[in-house]
Amino acid sequence: DGGITQSPKYLFRKEGQNVTLSCEQNLNHDAMYWYRQDPGQGLRLIYYSQIVNDFQKGDIAEGYSVSREKKESFPLTVTSAQKNPTAFYLCASSIAAGGSPLHFGNGTRLTVT
Amino acid sequence: QKEVEQDPGPLSVPEGAIVSLNCTYSNSAFQYFMWYRQYSRKGPELLMYTYSSGNKEDGRFTAQVDKSSKYISLFIRDSQPSDSATYLCAMSDNYGQNFVFGPGTRLSVLP
Repeated sequence: DGGITQSPKYLFRKEGQNVTLSCEQNLNHDAMYWYRQDPGQGLRLIYYSQIVNDFQKGDIAEGYSVSREKKESFPLTVTSAQKNPTAFYLCASSIAAGGSPLHFGNGTRLTVT
Repeated sequence: QKEVEQDPGPLSVPEGAIVSLNCTYSNSAFQYFMWYRQYSRKGPELLMYTYSSGNKEDGRFTAQVDKSSKYISLFIRDSQPSDSATYLCAMSDNYGQNFVFGPGTRLSVLP
C-alpha cells in the first residue's frame, strides 16, 4: 500500500535537546511538506520541498531545519531554538503539479518538558 | 481578517441527520478546494477535492464551491457515528504552493 509513514508516533524530549522526526513516502510524489497543528488553529506550514536537495521556508520555519537528500524522505529537526516545540507534527506529500491535493501521514506528537 | 474562517463547533447531530459544514475565505486567487476528515490523533484524510465553482458528489458527501461569495460547503447525508471527527477545509491557488487550512469543525454524530 502506498502512503506516508511518520515515526515515531509519540516523542518525549527534555528542553534544550534537538530532535528529528522521520517522514518517508512511497507514493513517488515530488513535493513534501511539514505542518504543525495546535489546538484551535489551522495547520501551519513549517517547510516544503518540491525537488530533491531543495526546500523553502514556510510561515513558521524559525527553530526548525529539514533536509531532502532522497525523494522518499523529508526529515524534520526541531532544534533547541524553537521556543514552543510541543505540538502535533504532520508530514504531507503531493504531485508537484499546481493545485494537487496533499496526502498526510498520521503525525508525530512531540512533547518537550 | 483571517484568510480562511471556519466555525470550530463543536457540532452535535443525531444519527441520520444532514450535516452542513462551511468555510469562508478572502483570497480570490484560490482555485482548488479540499475537505479533509481528521480523527483524533490521526492525520487528515482527503475527502473531497474540487476545482473552481460548482458541486461534486461522492456517496454521502457533497462539496459545493461558490467563488462569487468566497464560500465553500460540505454536506454529509445520513450521518453516521463513524463520521464523528474534525473536518478541515483547505484551498490553494493555481500554483499549488499556497495551501491554507481552516482551523477545523469538530463534529459529533450521536447514535
